[in-house]
Amino acid sequence: AQSVTQPDIHITVSEGASLELRCNYSYGATPYLFWYVQSPGQGLQLLLKYFSGDTLVQGIKGFEAEFKRSQSSFNLRKPSVHWSDAAEYFCAVTNTGGFKTIFGAGTRLFVKA
Amino acid sequence: DTAVSQTPKYLVTQMGNDKSIKCEQNLGHDTMYWYKQDSKKFLKIMFSYNNKELIINETVPNRFSPKSPDKAHLNLHINSLELGDSAVYFCASTTDTGELFFGEGSRLTVL
Repeated sequence: AQSVTQPDIHITVSEGASLELRCNYSYGATPYLFWYVQSPGQGLQLLLKYFSGDTLVQGIKGFEAEFKRSQSSFNLRKPSVHWSDAAEYFCAVTNTGGFKTIFGAGTRLFVKA
Repeated sequence: DTAVSQTPKYLVTQMGNDKSIKCEQNLGHDTMYWYKQDSKKFLKIMFSYNNKELIINETVPNRFSPKSPDKAHLNLHINSLELGDSAVYFCASTTDTGELFFGEGSRLTVL
């Protein structure tokens, strides 16, 4: 069965510092992998996605993620965090049929001045 | 133009009542979903429809009944509301590759 683990419930980073949010997945084949961001009171917005090919993918707002098959990981990174990045971040995996997406429990990012 | 819109944004109601949430998408997607987000932000898939046909039903109590009159609409009706139904309900639609487009959510509070 598919599953997604985000080991960090919350992370605090200073503005301007680098960020890495961890995600591990369990899936029988190569899944479609996603990161979404949710600002307070809003729906989720797609940051980036991985289907195949280059294992380093670029997304919106300066985010990138790297797919590592050997570690079953898809960690999200940003070189310099801005205060507006404070939000909830969700890693997700979709079966290759594209019909069922499972989300991790989310990581809440706090940004301090 | 809002891609996925759901109404109402807020519902406050008493236990035992019945309520409905409506969702519409103008993206031309064939597949739509209902997700439930609990107080700990955990997102759980409830239902999925593909071209008006139910394809996913994740052991949701039968008090919850989705209806899709056409592929652009997916409504959720909840009978006999319970305290544990309090949550934010998100509608979403998807491309063939699983990228989800979410509505802004409907916060349901059951008193």
